[in-house]
Amino acid sequence: NAGVTQTPKFQVLKTGQSMTLQCAQDMNHEYMSWYRQDPGMGLRLIHYSVGAGITDQGEVPNGYNVSRSTTEDFPLRLLSAAPSQTSVYFCASNSAGEQYFGPGTRLTVT
Amino acid sequence: ELKVEQNPLFLSMQEGKNYTIYCNYSTTSDRLYWYRQDPGKSLESLFVLLSNGAVKQEGRLMASLDTKARLSTLHITAAVHDLSATYFCAVDGASGTYKYIFGTGTRLKVLA
Repeated sequence: NAGVTQTPKFQVLKTGQSMTLQCAQDMNHEYMSWYRQDPGMGLRLIHYSVGAGITDQGEVPNGYNVSRSTTEDFPLRLLSAAPSQTSVYFCASNSAGEQYFGPGTRLTVT
Repeated sequence: ELKVEQNPLFLSMQEGKNYTIYCNYSTTSDRLYWYRQDPGKSLESLFVLLSNGAVKQEGRLMASLDTKARLSTLHITAAVHDLSATYFCAVDGASGTYKYIFGTGTRLKVLA
């Protein structure tokens, strides 16, 4: 049981590039979410999903897309990377309110 | 706009001492969560508080929830160095949606 996994662990992008952050969970949780964490701050919700085929926006959705074709996977796509998207990204799945977080992806946009 | 405020933001305390971290929120949510984050690591769930008056304890940490006051506390008893971490509270912004709003965190340093 791997829990929540994220890839890659680290990524450097140039401004304007696009990429996809991968997130997978093997706990059969319906709810999954993406957060970003900036230095000295709490987590801010980007997008979330309450089940396969259903996604919705969180606090800071601009510049990001998500899709949920299976229960297990919830990728986050950066459409055109900007320096303001430099951050640590966490994926989480949820069971009865308790969230299980992945190890995070540290993204730098130059 | 839903706000979740923690205080203090930074806390340096001696081993063996007691202290309380406060989490105030502006919504009518009756569910509140506490997490721990070690430097450079992910978040670990500590407590899930699901109703007014809920109290949970694990080791030297005890969390409580007063939904009428929109306040949760995380009490540390006889602190030890291993408790050094950043602690976050989070609230379900819209009941039942799991649309969480996090506080900015309290960075705790326990000095030997």
